[in-house]
Amino acid sequence: GDSVTQMEGPVTLSEEAFLTINCTYTATGYPSLFWYVQYPGEGLQLLLKATKADDKGSNKGFEATYRKETTSFHLEKGSVQVSDSAVYFCALLSGGSYIPTFGRGTSLIVHP
Amino acid sequence: GAGVSQSPSNKVTEKGKDVELRCDPISGHTALYWYRQSLGQGLEFLIYFQGNSAPDKSGLPSDRFSAERTGGSVSTLTIQRTQQEDSAVYLCASSQTTGEGNEKLFFGSGTQLSVL
Repeated sequence: GDSVTQMEGPVTLSEEAFLTINCTYTATGYPSLFWYVQYPGEGLQLLLKATKADDKGSNKGFEATYRKETTSFHLEKGSVQVSDSAVYFCALLSGGSYIPTFGRGTSLIVHP
Repeated sequence: GAGVSQSPSNKVTEKGKDVELRCDPISGHTALYWYRQSLGQGLEFLIYFQGNSAPDKSGLPSDRFSAERTGGSVSTLTIQRTQQEDSAVYLCASSQTTGEGNEKLFFGSGTQLSVL
């Protein structure tokens, strides 16, 4: 079945550091890929998505590229801020399905 | 409302009691999902509604769990004879179903359930 694997957290960084959160997936066919973010006390919200190979999703300075050859969708940001502290979830949606599969989430803590 | 609303936000109950969790999706969203978020376990799918019917309830962990949706809107997740392992955050999400296969989910803030 479908699955998503994310790097273990927490990831702790200083403000303005470079961020990478790794995500790899297993799915049949060509899934759509997503990153969701959950800020403290709030529900998950979509951060970015990509629907086909080599697509790059981007939002709020975050980027992720759909790599079919490595089945990966790593999240990156060039300079993190304290306000980026949150839990980040990688997810996939296989073709023909309406039920996304989520990873375990990676907590990011950014210190001033 | 403007977003997905869940109630209560927190629920503390005693082992063996029944609980009901409520979800008000975004108006017009035909798809509704329930997920469970346990510490260190990520999001576990429970059940999916399309309108009032549940084409996929494969994630419900036992027959103590049930859910219904009425009027294509509000959904209730019921847990009977609660156990301590039911303690988790229960998340509801809704989406429009466009048939494109890449629908964005809108999540509520969840119900934190604690079974003592």
